[in-house]
Amino acid sequence: EVQLVESGGGLVQPGGSLRLSCAASGFTLTTYWIHWVRQAPGKGLVWVSRINSDGSTTDYADSVKGRFTISRDNAKNMVYLQMNSLRAEDTAFYFCVREARGYSAYPMDHWGQGTLVTVSS
Amino acid sequence: DIQMTQSPSSLSASVGDRVTITCRASQTISTFLNWYQQKPGKAPKLLIFATSLLQSGVPSRFSGTGFGTDFTLTITSLEPEDFATYFCQQSYRSPRTFGQGTKVDIK
Repeated sequence: EVQLVESGGGLVQPGGSLRLSCAASGFTLTTYWIHWVRQAPGKGLVWVSRINSDGSTTDYADSVKGRFTISRDNAKNMVYLQMNSLRAEDTAFYFCVREARGYSAYPMDHWGQGTLVTVSS
Repeated sequence: DIQMTQSPSSLSASVGDRVTITCRASQTISTFLNWYQQKPGKAPKLLIFATSLLQSGVPSRFSGTGFGTDFTLTITSLEPEDFATYFCQQSYRSPRTFGQGTKVDIK
């Protein structure tokens, strides 16, 4: 069974840092791009970042560029999101998401359960 | 960035109703359009990819059509488990962008 399990969320003060982790199982992580998508409580889905299968290319939303860093360790089946200089507007559930590159239109076919990040003093 | 606009933002319907949700892209995206269903407190779930292809396990009452900039998601006969929020998403170009969502609730 494909599983993506996020951890590392919590309460942090503005300006602080958190590192989110995503543990992948049930599939070969090395063949998939992975995204982070966030959702503020009661709001819509917002793409945050993605990393390609071998970690050689990354991409970020303008709102997090320069503050967030995505990385992966395929040997450990893990993907990470390092979040620095956190702001109140970063408060959201953060989902780790698999992109199915072998499917037409590259859908996001498996989502983790999400981890809540709250930025507040 | 490609902007995705869904309509309506919400709708009320009854079990057995036919429901149609539209999604418009700010520029052409060919058929690179995916639909997701999200229930309260849960992660989104892939319903339809590449405009019209049903993800494994998704009931056939769900269907999708469109090309270019205009797309629709149709539920032919609403079931109780279909009350949820639906999001479209383009995967034509980075950054991936989502519509704002359409909440389907019980009339």
